[in-house]
Amino acid sequence: QQQVKQSPQSLIVQKGGISIINCAYENTAFDYFPWYQQFPGKGPALLIAIRPDVSEKKEGRFTISFNKSAKQFSLHIMDSQPGDSATYFCAASPGKAAGNKLTFGGGTRVLVKP
Amino acid sequence: DTEVTQTPKHLVMGMTNKKSLKCEQHMGHRAMYWYKQKAKKPPELMFVYSYEKLSINESVPSRFSPECPNSSLLNLHLHALQPEDSALYLCASSQGLSRAPRTSGLFFGSGTQLSVL
Repeated sequence: QQQVKQSPQSLIVQKGGISIINCAYENTAFDYFPWYQQFPGKGPALLIAIRPDVSEKKEGRFTISFNKSAKQFSLHIMDSQPGDSATYFCAASPGKAAGNKLTFGGGTRVLVKP
Repeated sequence: DTEVTQTPKHLVMGMTNKKSLKCEQHMGHRAMYWYKQKAKKPPELMFVYSYEKLSINESVPSRFSPECPNSSLLNLHLHALQPEDSALYLCASSQGLSRAPRTSGLFFGSGTQLSVL
């Protein structure tokens, strides 16, 4: 059973536009929510992460919004650039008691057109 | 040095072969991981080592055998693999299970693209 559902599966956005990726989870024990960016032929790289006591976190053009009551979180990429074209994975971790195992969403392939 | 180095980058092997994947990090991380990633899918956790001891085995078939010779090295020994084992094998490290990947995140290598014929 997939514990973190990610949508959309793919996304095409014009340069300068906003890319929005959504994730929903079911396990209320999750308390750490990172986003990873993966380019072809490379491993995933941590992009930004948030904890449930914060509703929003911004780092440069990347913003995470978190809605604890709805058990949803999203990634917004502002002023999208062709170099942002990659696959993005949301993830969730239940904490030390479960060995800090990450559960990944299914991934979103983002293509930014020049 | 903030890199996780994996060798080889590509590997083709027959079903009767024995091969090994290697991973190295020099960030002082005490937790190391093996993940398997199929095309267009998220990484799937296989094994976790904490302080050079196997901490998690996600019910991986015995044809995959991990080894952690020291805190900087992680190997994955492969024997009698099946074509469906073809995938990208990713190594990752983090500061330690008690704090990371929650604080500093996982650092992934670029992976070994494995093809089993």
